[in-house]
Amino acid sequence: DQQVKQNSPSLSVQEGRISILNCDYTNSMFDYFLWYKKYPAEGPTFLISISSIKDKNEDGRFTVFLNKSAKHLSLHIVPSQPGDSAVYFCAASVDNDMRFGAGTRLTVKP
Amino acid sequence: KAGVTQTPRYLIKTRGQQVTLSCSPISGHRSVSWYQQTPGQGLQFLFEYFSETQRNKGNFPGRFSGRQFSNSRSEMNVSTLELGDSALYLCASSRGTGTYEQYFGPGTRLTVT
Repeated sequence: DQQVKQNSPSLSVQEGRISILNCDYTNSMFDYFLWYKKYPAEGPTFLISISSIKDKNEDGRFTVFLNKSAKHLSLHIVPSQPGDSAVYFCAASVDNDMRFGAGTRLTVKP
Repeated sequence: KAGVTQTPRYLIKTRGQQVTLSCSPISGHRSVSWYQQTPGQGLQFLFEYFSETQRNKGNFPGRFSGRQFSNSRSEMNVSTLELGDSALYLCASSRGTGTYEQYFGPGTRLTVT
């Protein structure tokens, strides 16, 4: 029961360009969405979140966009840096239930 | 402030054995969630505890169980281990439940042979 899907297992971009990571969800009841970044041998770290009452949240180089009608979430990283290379997980939550996507491995090439 | 700690970091068990993993949340955090991460499967939710009560449970068999103590520390137990249980088990703590951002520990790498 994959309620949160990240259909691109990997993404490669050039340093300085924009990285766009996508996430789709099926449960319209989700009301809070988060992105996590995970480096090898470490636990995921919280990156940015957005409530369903908003359609955009920005934090430095990271911007999350929410399209509720399309049940679609995206993370934009501008400009991308080699240190951004990691696996990115999107998550969606309602009440006590948080579901994660399978992750997208981002590689930023110098 | 110390982060989430998990012990042990690595574990090798044989099929049929049982294992207990431990998680100490960030001080002041009362919610602890457990996840299983396997290649290509992302993070699969196991269960969440808040104030010593299981608040939510994922779609895992009854061999997977957990508990939370009064100091918010949590343990996860897997009985009758199967090869497919080999995974990275992550614990995450948060102040509350549901929408609060979670802080993850480094995980316990379990290998079942």
